[in-house]
Amino acid sequence: AQTVTQSQPEMSVQEAETVTLSCTYDTSESDYYLFWYKQPPSRQMILVIRQEAYKQQNATENRFSVNFQKAAKSFSLKISDSQLGDAAMYFCAYRRAGGTSYGKLTFGQGTILTVHP
Amino acid sequence: NAGVTQTPKFQVLKTGQSMTLQCAQDMNHNSMYWYRQDPGMGLRLIYYSASEGTTDKGEVPNGYNVSRLNKREFSLRLESAAPSQTSVYFCASRTSGGNEQFFGPGTRLTVL
Repeated sequence: AQTVTQSQPEMSVQEAETVTLSCTYDTSESDYYLFWYKQPPSRQMILVIRQEAYKQQNATENRFSVNFQKAAKSFSLKISDSQLGDAAMYFCAYRRAGGTSYGKLTFGQGTILTVHP
Repeated sequence: NAGVTQTPKFQVLKTGQSMTLQCAQDMNHNSMYWYRQDPGMGLRLIYYSASEGTTDKGEVPNGYNVSRLNKREFSLRLESAAPSQTSVYFCASRTSGGNEQFFGPGTRLTVL
C-alpha cells in the first residue's frame, strides 16, 4: 500500500519570505500523480499544485513550486514571497495512475503553516 | 455551478444514533468519494463510487454504509454512531480521467 509522510507537523514563516514543506511517499508504482492541497480555516480543500511522475520538470503555479525527486520519493512544496493568506494546513497527496486506481487519493498527515506579519 | 455540496455542515449525535450525510455534485462527474479527517492523520478514504451504480470500500469503511443514489448524489450512513466516528467528513468528486478531485465544504460530526 502506498503511504505519504509529512514529517513537519507545523512550520512558520515571515511574510515575504520563502518556506519549504516536506513530503515523502512510498510506492512500487512508476506512474502516479502527486498533489499539494491547501486547507484554510474555512475547511475548504483547495488544490495548489499537481505533478505527474513521468514529467521530469518540476511544476510551478505562480508563487508555488515543487521539488520532485522521483528516485528519493520526495515531493516538497516551496512557497515564495509568503503572504498572510497562505496560512493554512497543507496536505500532500498521492494517486496511482491508471483506470483501476479510480482516482483514489492517499494523503499525508498535514503541515500547519503559520505566516507572521 | 454549486460544485460539491454537503449537508449538514455540523451535527451532534449520541452514541447509537444513526444519521445520513448527504453529498451532491452538479459537475456531471462519474466518480465520488467520502473521506474522514482526523487530527494528525490527514484525510482517509472511507468509500468511493467509481461510477453510478457502483460502490467500493476504501481504507476505513467499518461502521459506514454508502448509497450512490444517482449520478449526482452519494450519501454516507452511520447506522449506530460511536465516539470514534467523531470527525470531519468530506465528500469529493472527479470526472473520469480527470486529475483533480473537487471537495465539498465538509461536515463536522461529534458523537457523544
